Amino acid sequence: AQSVSQHNHHVILSEAASLELGCNYSYGGTVNLFWYVQYPGQHLQLLLKYFSGDPLVKGIKGFEAEFIKSKFSFNLRKPSVQWSDTAEYFCAVTRNSGYALNFGKGTSLLVTP
Amino acid sequence: DGGITQSPKYLFRKEGQNVTLSCEQNLNHDAMYWYRQDPGQGLRLIYYSQIVNDFQKGDIAEGYSVSREKKESFPLTVTSAQKNPTAFYLCASSYGGGQPQHFGDGTRLSIL
Repeated sequence: AQSVSQHNHHVILSEAASLELGCNYSYGGTVNLFWYVQYPGQHLQLLLKYFSGDPLVKGIKGFEAEFIKSKFSFNLRKPSVQWSDTAEYFCAVTRNSGYALNFGKGTSLLVTP
Repeated sequence: DGGITQSPKYLFRKEGQNVTLSCEQNLNHDAMYWYRQDPGQGLRLIYYSQIVNDFQKGDIAEGYSVSREKKESFPLTVTSAQKNPTAFYLCASSYGGGQPQHFGDGTRLSIL
């Protein structure tokens, strides 16, 4: 079955630490990849996306992600986290023009001052 | 501002009752979606609709029903057949397949 795996369910970091959240998927063929973020009390919003081209994509608030096709991975990174990055992060995958978005189970990030 | 409006924010249901969750969008999106979010489970797709008068089952459609009579609206009915309806329900929309989805604020459904 097609699946999306996020390796870390809970992450705690101090401000200014670097962040990397893992995401792997099991789809074959062409995929569209997304990272969404859900800040406390807010709706889910798009952080960044990859459709094609440069495998290193940049999103909002200093986040970036790298698509490694051979590893079926789309890891999220940020060089220096802030307290305001405390949120839940979801990786999601869909086939190239598919409607069904398959989400990982999410990673809860807590950034301490 | 364009966006997705879900109502109500909180909903309580007695066992055996059907309840309908509202979702309206003014983004002129063709596609709309319903997801269920449970702690530690991520989001799971219930139903989606590519265009008006058309919809498809997602991964967990049992006990739910939808309609898409207007482009702007995609209500979800949680029927009494849904054995574990307590959850957070999210509605989303997009221009089409493979495109980023925009989400509403959600409706939290609880069983009394």
